[in-house]
Amino acid sequence: DVKVTQSSRYLVKRTGEKVFLECVQDMDHENMFWYRQDPGLGLRLIYFSYDVKMKEKGDIPEGYSVSREKKERFSLILESASTNQTSMYLCASSRVAGNRSPLHFGNGTRLTVT
Amino acid sequence: QKEVEQNSGPLSVPEGAIASLNCTYSDRGSQSFFWYRQYSGKSPELIMFIYSNGDKEDGRFTAQLNKASQYVSLLIRDSQPSDSATYLCAVKKDAGNMLTFGGGTRLMVKP
Repeated sequence: DVKVTQSSRYLVKRTGEKVFLECVQDMDHENMFWYRQDPGLGLRLIYFSYDVKMKEKGDIPEGYSVSREKKERFSLILESASTNQTSMYLCASSRVAGNRSPLHFGNGTRLTVT
Repeated sequence: QKEVEQNSGPLSVPEGAIASLNCTYSDRGSQSFFWYRQYSGKSPELIMFIYSNGDKEDGRFTAQLNKASQYVSLLIRDSQPSDSATYLCAVKKDAGNMLTFGGGTRLMVKP
């Protein structure tokens, strides 16, 4: 079974803090993704990466950056946290296998910025 | 128009009935379609995917795809209270790796 592990289940940070969300997958997947999920807005893609040191902006990259130094690890960085970044953050991974490879999600990190 | 649209619900069905969940998409170039189930407070889990027109069955679940009409549906037979969750439809547009999600439909199965 694919396992995608997010380092924290719940996180509370103050406005202006730098926040790191970590994600590790154990299936040697090439692709990794960061989504946020908000009521009424669904899942929105922040950033994704299809290879080590590669990254692409998703639909809502503003206020975020990412790092992929190793294939199994994909980090989401909030440079200066703001209250509108309070959300559920979901990491996912998938194999490069044409258009049929599904996403496998981690358990999520619920971030509260006060 | 949203790229992937779902009725937010809630859709309420009695235990043992068939639940029918629908999803429409706007991009005719979409090639693969996925259904995820998400329990409250949990992350989405894959139920099944479909990429050819017609029906695909997996246990109590059947996915139906009609590319000409640009809709995909999920039928759940013999619905159980444990099926109560939000069901997310996701569409992959091309050979790339990005999925676009609908807003989800909340299903409630009443005993």
